[in-house]
Amino acid sequence: GAVVSQHPSRVICKSGTSVKIECRSLDFQATTMFWYRQFPKQSLMLMATSNEGSKATYEQGVEKDKFLINHASLTLSTLTVTSAHPEDSSFYICSARDLTGHYNSPLHFGNGTRLTVT
Amino acid sequence: GENVEQHPSTLSVQEGDSAVIKCTYSDSASNYFPWYKQELGKGPQLIIDIRSNVGEKKDQRIAVTLNKTAKHFSLHITETQPEDSAVYFCAASIWGTGNQFYFGTGTSLTVIP
Repeated sequence: GAVVSQHPSRVICKSGTSVKIECRSLDFQATTMFWYRQFPKQSLMLMATSNEGSKATYEQGVEKDKFLINHASLTLSTLTVTSAHPEDSSFYICSARDLTGHYNSPLHFGNGTRLTVT
Repeated sequence: GENVEQHPSTLSVQEGDSAVIKCTYSDSASNYFPWYKQELGKGPQLIIDIRSNVGEKKDQRIAVTLNKTAKHFSLHITETQPEDSAVYFCAASIWGTGNQFYFGTGTSLTVIP
């Protein structure tokens, strides 16, 4: 089945620094990627949708200057948390779909990144 | 927009028993309903999905049923095993578009050996 690889799985950084999270589709073209944030024991909160070669669309309340998303190729999207603060500590998960061809593709998730800002 | 509700939030069953998780949705345009299993510290994994042109789909011990009229769908796990313990999320979307997926709030399933 489709594989989405996300790195790093865990990262600890100091307050004020930036962190980049990578999301790769390994065996399909990820024309659309979604970035989610998940708090403990809660559901998935959509942060933004990115289409290859286009600017990301952010959900209401998500600061686009803080959470920079780049979807430069059909296999790679990155989320950069800029000037991270402790309240940014969370579990970030990317997901991808292959919407080429017949637009029929389920959503596949990466294994998430646990970000801890000290 | 779409609103997906999921129940129960927690569920404990004895090993070998069945588990049922139910979801409702509000948007009649939704026609694709996947179920995801999330183990601790990992991303959600697709376990089964159903489109609105069928009422039931089965894959070994897992089955999903859909009632379009009532706008609800359910996940059924039979002969549960300890490794089925995880958080399960239902979702609704419109198949064939780039629309987002709307997720339920999750069900924490514990299978007691």
